[in-house]
Amino acid sequence: ETGVTQTPRHLVMGMTNKKSLKCEQHLGHNAMYWYKQSAKKPLELMFVYNFKEQTENNSVPSRFSPECPNSSHLFLHLHTLQPEDSALYLCASTNNEGSNGYTFGSGTRLTVV
Amino acid sequence: AQKVTQAQTEISVVEKEDVTLDCVYETRDTTYYLFWYKQPPSGELVFLIRRNSFDEQNEISGRYSWNFQKSTSSFNFTITASQVVDSAVYFCALRSLGNNDMRFGAGTRLTVKP
Repeated sequence: ETGVTQTPRHLVMGMTNKKSLKCEQHLGHNAMYWYKQSAKKPLELMFVYNFKEQTENNSVPSRFSPECPNSSHLFLHLHTLQPEDSALYLCASTNNEGSNGYTFGSGTRLTVV
Repeated sequence: AQKVTQAQTEISVVEKEDVTLDCVYETRDTTYYLFWYKQPPSGELVFLIRRNSFDEQNEISGRYSWNFQKSTSSFNFTITASQVVDSAVYFCALRSLGNNDMRFGAGTRLTVKP
């Protein structure tokens, strides 16, 4: 149990499907992040939420749609994805103290077929 | 601008060898924090260590040790007597005080062979 829980752990979806990834933390953190990690590539920051407000969108295609209903939950809604979107999607959280690192979830391994 | 460079993309060693993973960073901030994370095949990034910019003392934790040198902007990580279970991707990261964003290096994939 890492403190950050991501579901599902694995997801296979077709290009016309709509699915959602879920991230949940009860660590009292107020900032949450979505990262994409493709095979043999660096971590790519996708979205940042601070106190439920989106503070960063790193030029992510609109087929990825984040939602943060409260400080403990973060979703990533997926629709009409492409095979190149297959990757490990990691959620992380932290508080606003710069001295703290991020706590990561175990990730959702997404395969788009 | 902040930047973290891990020049070693992949390293392969034989069990019981010592191995050092390099990390070089760039920042204009005076107060910042450096981190190392381990990502085993399961996917989750596991926190290993945090150092603040005012504390250049090296740290040892079991077989792990970290060498922080402000003069060269480096925060290297050494594994002594490596084991197969050390096989993972290791990330170095930088975060400034008051800044939510953490900059990650590209990661170093370490393979320890039996």
